[in-house]
Amino acid sequence: KAGVTQTPRYLIKTRGQQVTLSCSPISGHRSVSWYQQTPGQGLQFLFEYFSETQRNKGNFPGRFSGRQFSNSRSEMNVSTLELGDSALYLCASSLEGSSQETQYFGPGTRLLVL
Amino acid sequence: QKEVEQNSGPLSVPEGAIASLNCTYSDRVSQSFFWYRQYSGKSPELIMSIYSNGDKEDGRFTAQLNKASQYVSLLIRDSQPSDSATYLCAVKNPRRGSTLGRLYFGRGTQLTVWP
Repeated sequence: KAGVTQTPRYLIKTRGQQVTLSCSPISGHRSVSWYQQTPGQGLQFLFEYFSETQRNKGNFPGRFSGRQFSNSRSEMNVSTLELGDSALYLCASSLEGSSQETQYFGPGTRLLVL
Repeated sequence: QKEVEQNSGPLSVPEGAIASLNCTYSDRVSQSFFWYRQYSGKSPELIMSIYSNGDKEDGRFTAQLNKASQYVSLLIRDSQPSDSATYLCAVKNPRRGSTLGRLYFGRGTQLTVWP
């Protein structure tokens, strides 16, 4: 099975712009979670989608949004970019997001905001 | 209080030694525990998962869980230079966030195994 894929792998944007990141989960996986990783804060949960519905959301401002499509692919959008949004954005998939399921991570999208 | 805490390290051990990585969590109802390894510039990959008290072994890796002490550890036997990475402890907590699809991560422990 192919793993989790994320596009693009690298992005450079300027403050005020918006960005859309894409994640394709492992075939058959319906839960997709997004995380932000920075040296200062570590890995922080953004949100989780299951069957096209957002089930859970972390403590991020409304500039961060996401969606999931019927084929389980997910996108996240960040509007009005700030310098502090520079980070590695990771998506992870699992079958249904239940307690004992492993989350498998994609390679990440590295975003640099100038 | 942070949900998950790890010794920030860095931890440095010689090749062939046992590396011991520790993690504590704050909420007693936490159910599932995971250790991920992350090489520099790469994404996290699962090393071990553990759900019940006691030890779980997989090759050179042993995860230990003590729910009474709210403590989980990872032992790496016969450490190799290729084990040099950051090790992340992650916890699932059904009380927080209504669903079980959210992982809480520690800040990670950087391990260096020198030849």
